[in-house]
Amino acid sequence: KQEVTQIPAALSVPEGENLVLNCSFTDSAIYNLQWFRQDPGKGLTSLLLIQSSQREQTSGRLNASLDKSSGRSTLYIAASQPGDSATYLCAVTPGAQKLVFGQGTRLTINP
Amino acid sequence: DAGVTQSPTHLIKTRGQQVTLRCSPKSGHDTVSWYQQALGQGPQFIFQYYEEEERQRGNFPDRFSGHQFPNYSSELNVNALLLGDSALYLCASSSGTGGGQYFGPGTRLTVT
Repeated sequence: KQEVTQIPAALSVPEGENLVLNCSFTDSAIYNLQWFRQDPGKGLTSLLLIQSSQREQTSGRLNASLDKSSGRSTLYIAASQPGDSATYLCAVTPGAQKLVFGQGTRLTINP
Repeated sequence: DAGVTQSPTHLIKTRGQQVTLRCSPKSGHDTVSWYQQALGQGPQFIFQYYEEEERQRGNFPDRFSGHQFPNYSSELNVNALLLGDSALYLCASSSGTGGGQYFGPGTRLTVT
């Protein structure tokens, strides 16, 4: 059974810092991995999608890496801003169907 | 281009009642998945519909059922509501090309 773990559960940093969020998964047989952002009480916004054959994806200040062999992904956020405050969720797709989510990392950027 | 839409936004029901939630997928998507998200938790997969058939199901009881229409929109039905069914219900759409899943704003269900 695929399990996804995100560490830390919560993170608070001052504005302007670069930071890394971690995601690990137990079964390396994944179809792809997605990082999402969720604002309180809202739906999920897709940030980055990494196919199983890829090593990383970049979008603006965000960079996500994938190491299937070790079952790890990281989301790097450069020059953090207060607007980046949200919960970040990592999810893997064991087949081309359902997503298996971690519990999320609640990020707070302090002005 | 409209993204994934869900209705209603909020819903309050009493234990034992039945509820229907609705979802319209993103344009060009033919697959709809439903997830339940309890407070402070990651979303849990309920089921997925493709070509009007349930393609995969998560670990949810038969009280949870669904339907997909020819226009790819979908409904989630929950019968005999329990207090523990209170959650944010998320709909996600995707296509068969492996482009990831895209989520709607969710329906907040409160069971009293």
